[in-house]
Amino acid sequence: GENVEQHPSTLSVQEGDSAVIKCTYSDSASNYFPWYKQELGKGPQLIIDIRSNVGEKKDQRIAVTLNKTAKHFSLHITETQPEDSAVYFCAATSPMNRDDKIIFGKGTRLHILP
Amino acid sequence: DSGVTQTPKHLITATGQRVTLRCSPRSGDLSVYWYQQSLDQGLQFLIQYYNGEERAKGNILERFSAQQFPDLHSELNLSSLELGDSALYFCASSVESLTYEQYFGPGTRLTVT
Repeated sequence: GENVEQHPSTLSVQEGDSAVIKCTYSDSASNYFPWYKQELGKGPQLIIDIRSNVGEKKDQRIAVTLNKTAKHFSLHITETQPEDSAVYFCAATSPMNRDDKIIFGKGTRLHILP
Repeated sequence: DSGVTQTPKHLITATGQRVTLRCSPRSGDLSVYWYQQSLDQGLQFLIQYYNGEERAKGNILERFSAQQFPDLHSELNLSSLELGDSALYFCASSVESLTYEQYFGPGTRLTVT
């Protein structure tokens, strides 16, 4: 079945620097790759997503890149700010006939240092 | 506020008991998903319902079951509870399938003692 590996599990960056989180997936049929941010005591919230027909997507300070050949995708946060501190999850969906399954990575705890 | 509501916020119960978690999706969303989040297992997809019917199954135990009612709210039933079932349970909703943005509720924290 599908497997999603996420690295690193913890990341500390200086405020203003960039942060990069990487994920790999195993099922080449996966076609949708969302990234979720989870703040303490809250449910995950979608911050950006990318579909398999696109290689890169950007939204202000956040960007996601997808390499279908290598089966990996990455989240890039530039000019990090204190409010970026949270746990970030990548995910991949594997459509199987009409049944979609979604697999999440184990998460990256991002600390923005003052 | 995502527009998804979950009740109760916290639940403490004993091993062997049965509990029901409730979720109301965002207005207009037809799909409801249930997830289990524990420290060592991350976010695990349990099950999806679409417009009242089961659409996809993930790592849901046989002791767990769910349903979606005609008004689109959903309930997750957990029975014969074990200590290892202690976790955060999230409900999410989306317009249609898993390839659309999901909106997560605030979660129900279940503690089994």
